[in-house]
Amino acid sequence: NAGVMQNPRHLVRRRGQEARLRCSPMKGHSHVYWYRQLPEEGLKFMVYLQKENIIDESGMPKERFSAEFPKEGPSILRIQQVVRGDSAAYFCASSPETGHAGELFFGEGSRLTVL
Amino acid sequence: GDSVTQMEGPVTLSEEAFLTINCTYTATGYPSLFWYVQYPGEGLQLLLKATKADDKGSNKGFEATYRKETTSFHLEKGSVQVSDSAVYFCALSDRVTGGGNKLTFGTGTQLKVEL
Repeated sequence: NAGVMQNPRHLVRRRGQEARLRCSPMKGHSHVYWYRQLPEEGLKFMVYLQKENIIDESGMPKERFSAEFPKEGPSILRIQQVVRGDSAAYFCASSPETGHAGELFFGEGSRLTVL
Repeated sequence: GDSVTQMEGPVTLSEEAFLTINCTYTATGYPSLFWYVQYPGEGLQLLLKATKADDKGSNKGFEATYRKETTSFHLEKGSVQVSDSAVYFCALSDRVTGGGNKLTFGTGTQLKVEL
């Protein structure tokens, strides 16, 4: 029973390029969350999605960041025109629709380095 | 808004020592409380949880009690092992529109256990 799968695990981009991070939730999970972990900091909520809908994007920067969770395929976090400050670990988590309160299942993260 | 404050690390202990990691929270309503653990290079894993006041969560020798009167959820273990070395995150959940769960995390406490 595969867990939450994220790819790539490591991504290096130069300033101004685009970064695309993918997340496949656990089988049967319809809720996806993206969190960002900056160096020496805790995880910060970015966005919560269900299939084809963004439910809460209150933690997402207003510019350059977008997320989607299409009907088919993985959830994608897209960062356009990356800057050095975007260097971080990006974690995806999923939960079932009727899961226990707050119990999220996390992937191993995608570590973005912006040169 | 909701917030979680936990003691700063790193915490360095000898094997078999007693562990306490303090965590306090601020929330509207009645959140559920969690401890997640992150081993090096991995994603977060749920360690234990408590969903209402006076509940005690426990797992792998770790315990934490939901104290509403002191808004605390301190993590304890009677005898730590080298394999417990990791970063520990306190978190609370906030039920959101659409039935999901948004977690607010503390900044994490790194634990190092030495022989």
